[in-house]
Amino acid sequence: DIQVTQSPSSLSASVGDRVTITCRASQNIRGYLNWYQQKRGNAPKLLIYVTSNLQRGVPSRFSGSGSGTDFTLTINSLQPEDFAIYFCQQTYTTPNTFGQGTKLEIK
Amino acid sequence: QVQLQESGPGLVRPSETLSLTCSVSGGSISTYYWTWIRQSAGKGLEWIGRVYNTGGTSYNPSLTTRLSMSVDTSRNQFSLRLAAVTAADTAVYYCARQFTAKRWDLPSGVDVWGQGIAVTVSS
Repeated sequence: DIQVTQSPSSLSASVGDRVTITCRASQNIRGYLNWYQQKRGNAPKLLIYVTSNLQRGVPSRFSGSGSGTDFTLTINSLQPEDFAIYFCQQTYTTPNTFGQGTKLEIK
Repeated sequence: QVQLQESGPGLVRPSETLSLTCSVSGGSISTYYWTWIRQSAGKGLEWIGRVYNTGGTSYNPSLTTRLSMSVDTSRNQFSLRLAAVTAADTAVYYCARQFTAKRWDLPSGVDVWGQGIAVTVSS
């Protein structure tokens, strides 16, 4: 299985900050990296697919980048509703593995 | 818009078979990959497997000996069966839709999720 390591595991930030979360895959996943946001009691929500494509309806302050094994989710100008848990997922091979999550908390 | 709804038992006894069904409304099941994902406190998000409208499947190797998935296009439903369950199978189970992005060959994002069904394995 491809291992996906997310960092940091938790992050404190303030409204208006810019934050970055990274995912590193254990091998080249050729851009097949997605990002999700999950709020308590809800299913994950797709934010970014295949590295940098913004899912319909997701605010443009979310962006993704990367290649090969290293990928980044950036959130510009954090809003109160952005405090949640973020997961990455590789879909280059099965099983489509997830990172362990990053909890974004209000400072 | 497409909505997914899981149904099945919330409690399953050890060694028995867990059966879940996902009903798809607001769209056809005749395209996309239909996926099961589970989430537990101990293991985070775990991709269980997916089934295509043709019935083709792809399973997580860690579960493949116990797992079966199927699709019923006439009912717009797809199903999961997991045999010989143990406490380690206790989780919230999500059914979901996975798509293939334009100009990309492989399935990518999971864009529609059910609300999830909590399953506990216990005697």
